[in-house]
Amino acid sequence: KQEVTQIPAALSVPEGENLVLNCSFTDSAIYNLQWFRQDPGKGLTSLLLIQSSQREQTSGRLNASLDKSSGRSTLYIAASQPGDSATYLCAVPSSGYSTLTFGKGTMLLVSP
Amino acid sequence: DTGVSQDPRHKITKRGQNVTFRCDPISEHNRLYWYRQTLGQGPEFLTYFQNEAQLEKSRLLSDRFSAERPKGSFSTLEIQRTEQGDSAMYLCASSPPTGGPNYGYTFGSGTRLTVV
Repeated sequence: KQEVTQIPAALSVPEGENLVLNCSFTDSAIYNLQWFRQDPGKGLTSLLLIQSSQREQTSGRLNASLDKSSGRSTLYIAASQPGDSATYLCAVPSSGYSTLTFGKGTMLLVSP
Repeated sequence: DTGVSQDPRHKITKRGQNVTFRCDPISEHNRLYWYRQTLGQGPEFLTYFQNEAQLEKSRLLSDRFSAERPKGSFSTLEIQRTEQGDSAMYLCASSPPTGGPNYGYTFGSGTRLTVV
């Protein structure tokens, strides 16, 4: 059974810092990995999708990397802003793409 | 197309009442999923449709829960005889027919259920 772990559970940083969120998964036979953002009381917004054949994916100040062999992914946020404050979740699909297994998320607070 | 729509956004109900939620997926997506999320946890899979066929159900989906997707378009999730433990955010997602590693999931804004 796939298990996804995210570290740290919570992170508080001052504005402008670069930061790294970590995601690990137990079954390395994944097809892709998706990072989501969730604002309090809201749904999930997709940030980045990394295919298993890729090692990195970038969108603006966000960069996600994937190391399948070690079962790890990182989400790098450059020059953090208060608007980045949210919970960040990573998820991997089952072999038939029928389900996603999520981590518990990293709650990020960026203070002005 | 404006993405995945869920209705209502919030629902407060008394214990023992029945509730029904609706999800409208992205029109060209034939796969539709329901997830449940409790405070401080990641979303947990409930059930999955491909077109109108319900192909997979989680053990979390007790007999009090039923989901339908008539004609392979919108979907409804009904909870009968609600319990306080049903209080959660119910999330709907959809994905395109080709599936595969090139395509991710698109989630709706969720329906927050509070059972009092």
